[in-house]
Amino acid sequence: SQTIHQWPATLVQPVGSPLSLECTVEGTSNPNLYWYRQAAGRGLQLLFYSVGIGQISSEVPQNLSASRPQDRQFILSSKKLLLSDSGFYLCAWSVPDQAGGPHEQYFGPGTRLTVT
Amino acid sequence: GENVEQHPSTLSVQEGDSAVIKCTYSDSASNYFPWYKQELGKRPQLIIDIRSNVGEKKDQRIAVTLNKTAKHFSLHITETQPEDSAVYFCAAALTGGGNKLTFGTGTQLKVEL
Repeated sequence: SQTIHQWPATLVQPVGSPLSLECTVEGTSNPNLYWYRQAAGRGLQLLFYSVGIGQISSEVPQNLSASRPQDRQFILSSKKLLLSDSGFYLCAWSVPDQAGGPHEQYFGPGTRLTVT
Repeated sequence: GENVEQHPSTLSVQEGDSAVIKCTYSDSASNYFPWYKQELGKRPQLIIDIRSNVGEKKDQRIAVTLNKTAKHFSLHITETQPEDSAVYFCAAALTGGGNKLTFGTGTQLKVEL
């Protein structure tokens, strides 16, 4: 069965520091991968998605970036964190969008980031 | 792009009553509609989904209905229990869209004893 991992689970970082969050998926190949951010008490905002190695689409302009160095690895980064970057960061995966139509997305356990 | 509106934002019911959450979408090409349940501090969990070729789907106490003409879909929870208390999100996606989901803003459901 498929499993999705995220680390770290929690993170407290000062303003202006760099960020690196990692997500890995097991038990599937060539998944679509997604990064979401959820501010406290709010909805899910799609930040980036990837349909393959090195293929990244950005949904919103921000000081974050994403990379996919391996098929089942997705990394979210920032060179300098802002206070507004605080939130719950969720990675998700799905099988590729094929002729059968969209498929279910499954979320990782998330990373709770507090920027101080 | 797609826009999904969700109502109500909060819903309080008595244990054993039914709860209904409604969503409308804007893009008539959307053909996949999942619902997620998120408990406090946890990840969203897929609880049920429906595709545009069916009008209703049931799984025990939960059901989803879809009206393509009106472009709205609803989540129905019967015989609510305290463990149903959570935030529920609806979403929509369409074929060829990279499997991207457009989410509603969420409904905080509270089941009171």
